[in-house]
Amino acid sequence: DAGVIQSPRHEVTEMGQEVTLRCKPISGHDYLFWYRQTMMRGLELLIYFNNNVPIDDSGMPEDRFSAKMPNASFSTLKIQPSEPRDSAVYFCASSNRQGSSYNEQFFGPGTRLTVL
Amino acid sequence: GENVEQHPSTLSVQEGDSAVIKCTYSDSASNYFPWYKQELGKRPQLIIDIRSNVGEKKDQRIAVTLNKTAKHFSLHITETQPEDSAVYFCAASIEDSNYQLIWGAGTKLIIKP
Repeated sequence: DAGVIQSPRHEVTEMGQEVTLRCKPISGHDYLFWYRQTMMRGLELLIYFNNNVPIDDSGMPEDRFSAKMPNASFSTLKIQPSEPRDSAVYFCASSNRQGSSYNEQFFGPGTRLTVL
Repeated sequence: GENVEQHPSTLSVQEGDSAVIKCTYSDSASNYFPWYKQELGKRPQLIIDIRSNVGEKKDQRIAVTLNKTAKHFSLHITETQPEDSAVYFCAASIEDSNYQLIWGAGTKLIIKP
């Protein structure tokens, strides 16, 4: 398996533009997580899905952020309009769960977003 | 809700010495505690985890200990090597509840040659 795939790896855009980040989880994983990482705030969970259904989006900073998971192999995180303070590395991670036991969260390589 | 505090934020040790990173959690119901390592410019990766029915777990040079009474857990790295230089994150969660990990702020470990 190729692991979690994210695209693009780097994105530079201007303030006000729409940004779409993409993620393909590991096949067979039923949980998908979107994280944001900055020096100031560390690693923040934005939203996570179980079987394509959003479970907790309380970490989404504001209405400018939205996430979708139309099927088990694809998810998007959209920022519209983007602002300079959105500059960060965005990670997607996937996992599965056996009964009540956690399994490892596998992270993608991340998307480094710079909003000018 | 759960809160995880991690100390120190930066740790510098001589190569070959041991390193200890500590985390405390607030929710006594938490029962799953993973540790992730993130090398510079790379993604976080799980290195070891422990569940509340176990007090200690080892994997070669790394070990994790858990004190449920005091609500803290620690990562121990012995015989540190240059490749141990990274940021280490602890996390906590309740396995039978939601699937959300509550993360510590991270510790930057520097191994001095």
